[in-house]
Amino acid sequence: NAGVTQTPKFQVLKTGQSMTLQCAQDMNHNSMYWYRQDPGMGLRLIYYSASEGTTDKGEVPNGYNVSRLNKREFSLRLESAAPSQTSVYFCASSVSGTGTDTQYFGPGTRLTVL
Amino acid sequence: AQSVTQPDIHITVSEGASLELRCNYSYGATPYLFWYVQSPGQGLQLLLKYFSGDTLVQGIKGFEAEFKRSQSSFNLRKPSVHWSDAAEYFCAVGFTGGGNKLTFGTGTQLKVEL
Repeated sequence: NAGVTQTPKFQVLKTGQSMTLQCAQDMNHNSMYWYRQDPGMGLRLIYYSASEGTTDKGEVPNGYNVSRLNKREFSLRLESAAPSQTSVYFCASSVSGTGTDTQYFGPGTRLTVL
Repeated sequence: AQSVTQPDIHITVSEGASLELRCNYSYGATPYLFWYVQSPGQGLQLLLKYFSGDTLVQGIKGFEAEFKRSQSSFNLRKPSVHWSDAAEYFCAVGFTGGGNKLTFGTGTQLKVEL
């Protein structure tokens, strides 16, 4: 039981390049989330998917797109990377979208945009 | 909008000493409250959560937290710290009707001196 997995672990991009961060969970969870973590700012929600087939914006969605490919997978795409998107990205999942559910986090992707 | 404040950016304690990490939230109704721990290079792991009932909640690794509505606080405590507790700790708040969207504090970095 791997839990939440993310690929890649590290990535360096040049400004303007695009890339997709992959996330998969094997816990049969309905809800999935993408966060970014920046020093001194905690975690901020980028996008979330309450259930398969739905996605919604979080606190900082600009410059990102997401795809809920199926129940297991939720990808985050940067179409034209900017230095301000240098961050650590975490994917998480929960059984459902209710407020009391525990979110389970992946190990993160460290992204640097030059 | 709800917010979370963790006033201590860094805390250093000696191994075996007691620990209290502070968390204050701003939200009009009863919130859902969480404490997560992040070890270096890892994702976040849930320590404990509160959403109703007994205001003193027990978590993993010997941690506990107390919800105090009058003080809008949810402080994390441990009677005797171990060197392996060195990590970053995040308080988070969710709310009724907010789905499972969490607002995180900026984190407290705990250093344990041997």
